[in-house]
Amino acid sequence: KAGVTQTPRYLIKTRGQQVTLSCSPISGHRSVSWYQQTPGQGLQFLFEYFSETQRNKGNFPGRFSGRQFSNSRSEMNVSTLELGDSALYLCASSLSTSGMGETQYFGPGTRLLVL
Amino acid sequence: AQKITQTQPGMFVQEKEAVTLDCTYDTSDPSYGLFWYKQPSSGEMIFLIYQGSYDQQNATEGRYSLNFQKARKSANLVISASQLGDSAMYFCAMILLTGTASKLTFGTGTRLQVTL
Repeated sequence: KAGVTQTPRYLIKTRGQQVTLSCSPISGHRSVSWYQQTPGQGLQFLFEYFSETQRNKGNFPGRFSGRQFSNSRSEMNVSTLELGDSALYLCASSLSTSGMGETQYFGPGTRLLVL
Repeated sequence: AQKITQTQPGMFVQEKEAVTLDCTYDTSDPSYGLFWYKQPSSGEMIFLIYQGSYDQQNATEGRYSLNFQKARKSANLVISASQLGDSAMYFCAMILLTGTASKLTFGTGTRLQVTL
């Protein structure tokens, strides 16, 4: 079974631009979560989508948004990019049949550099 | 709010030796799960092992075992017979098993270097 895939793997943008990252979960997984990893803040939860609905949200500004499609694929958007948005963005999927802490499997991440 | 503490920024271990990576956690919720993930330099987080707060026995997965001490709120990862390929960052994480649990809270990680 194929793992979680994320595209693109690397991205360079300039301040003020917007960016869209994509995540395809493991087949059959219905929950997709997004995390930001930076050297200063570590790994932080952005949000989670389940059945096309945002089910949980972390403490990030409204510039960070996401959505999930009917095939469970998810996209994350960051508008008006700031230098501090440079990070590794990780997507994780889980079966989430019970929503009770099932194992999240991660993709390879998208490395975003904002200049 | 829950918190994960990993006090070892870096560890060295010789090949074929066992190593313990420390993790302590803090939560007032009685229902939670604890995970360990491995992150090689490529960036992908690889799931290693899981322990639920109500599990009676310590979890094991091949060369990985989790030393779960609930009263001390610790969940240390033990890697037996270290291999060069074990060199990576290791993260301890916690999830609350209430409601629609999905948010993983991570520690700051431990960088493990396996030497010859």
